[in-house]
Order: sequence, then C-alpha cells, then structure tokens
Amino acid sequence: DGGITQSPKYLFRKEGQNVTLSCEQNLNHDAMYWYRQDPGQGLRLIYYSQIVNDFQKGDIAEGYSVSREKKESFPLTVTSAQKNPTAFYLCASSKEYNEQFFGPGTRLTVL
Amino acid sequence: QKEVEQNSGPLSVPEGAIASLNCTYSDRVSQSFFWYRQYSGKSPELIMSIYSNGDKEDGRFTAQLNKASQYVSLLIRDSQPSDSATYLCAVLSGAGSYQLTFGKGTKLSVIP
Repeated sequence: DGGITQSPKYLFRKEGQNVTLSCEQNLNHDAMYWYRQDPGQGLRLIYYSQIVNDFQKGDIAEGYSVSREKKESFPLTVTSAQKNPTAFYLCASSKEYNEQFFGPGTRLTVL
Repeated sequence: QKEVEQNSGPLSVPEGAIASLNCTYSDRVSQSFFWYRQYSGKSPELIMSIYSNGDKEDGRFTAQLNKASQYVSLLIRDSQPSDSATYLCAVLSGAGSYQLTFGKGTKLSVIP
C-alpha cells in the first residue's frame, strides 16, 4: 500500500523540550512538505523540500528545523524556540510541483 | 501577500440538494487549483484539481474555474450527510511553484 505515514499520532511536549515528528512516504514522490493547522485557520507552510539534502523555509519556519537525508523521509523538529507549538501538524508529498497528498497528522500539545 | 478567500460558513443544505462552495484568490499568475475535504479531526483529502478555465466533473463533484475573475468553485450534486466536512480551497501560484496557499475553509453541513 502506497501512502504517507506520520508518527506519533499524539505528542505531548514539556516547556523547553525539543520534539521530533516523523514523516515517511513510499509514493516515490520528490517533494515533501510540513504544514501547521490551528483551529479556524488555514494550513500554513513550515518547510518544504524538493529533493534530497535540500529544503526551503515556508511562511512560518521560525522555531522549527528539518532534514531530508532520504527521499522517503522528512522529519520535523519543533524546538524550544517555538513559543506556541500546540497545533495539528501535517506532512504532505507531491510528484514535482503537483497535487499534494497528506499524511494522517500529528497533534502536538504543550503541557 | 498571496491570499485565498472562502466563506467560513457554516453552509447548510438539505440532503439531495446542490452545495455550492466558492473561493477567490489574489495572485493573477496562479496556475493550479485544488479542493480538499477535511473531516473533523482528520487530515485533508484531495478531491478535485483544475488547471484550465471551465468545468471539470468527477462523479457528484464539479469544479469550475474562471481565471479572469480569479474565482474557483466546487459544486456537490445530490449532497449526502457524509459530505458534511470542511472544504479547503488551495492555489498553486506560478509555473514551477511548490507552495500551496490555502483558504481557511468552508464548513458544509448536509441535513438529512
């Protein structure tokens, strides 16, 4: 089955802690993306990567970091510098600049 | 600043009726347009994409695009209670762009 997986489904973070969200795809897509969704808000782009070992900042990159060491994987780290990290985090992938398909999401809560 | 505007709703329609969802965008060079359906607590699911002016039909769904008016819409015929969800309009600007801009979504409620 081809698809996008994200883990964990729910994540709790203490103040001052870094956490890493996993995103894996087996669709052989070149591009991968991270979005954040807050209640009543549209999706906002955090980072995206068109190819391995390259990525670009989106609209709200501050307090986040990413890596793209493999085509299939695009993990997102939420650092302690992100002051309001509670949100629904969505990973997506696409074949070049085309239709984007989403994983099931990770819901992050700050304790 | 690229903007995508949608009525937040809620839009309520009776079962069997046509639901009409609208979206306007600010960037004139936008080339690709997408509709996603998002059930409460779930991730967005792509239901339609449209790239040229006119209508595109897929089952009960019809997407309509008018680039001159910077307007894209989604019609859902024979609406079912299972269509109740938030519908997100997304726009990809310019050739070779990877960045989608999303509207905040319209919440649709189909009343049995």
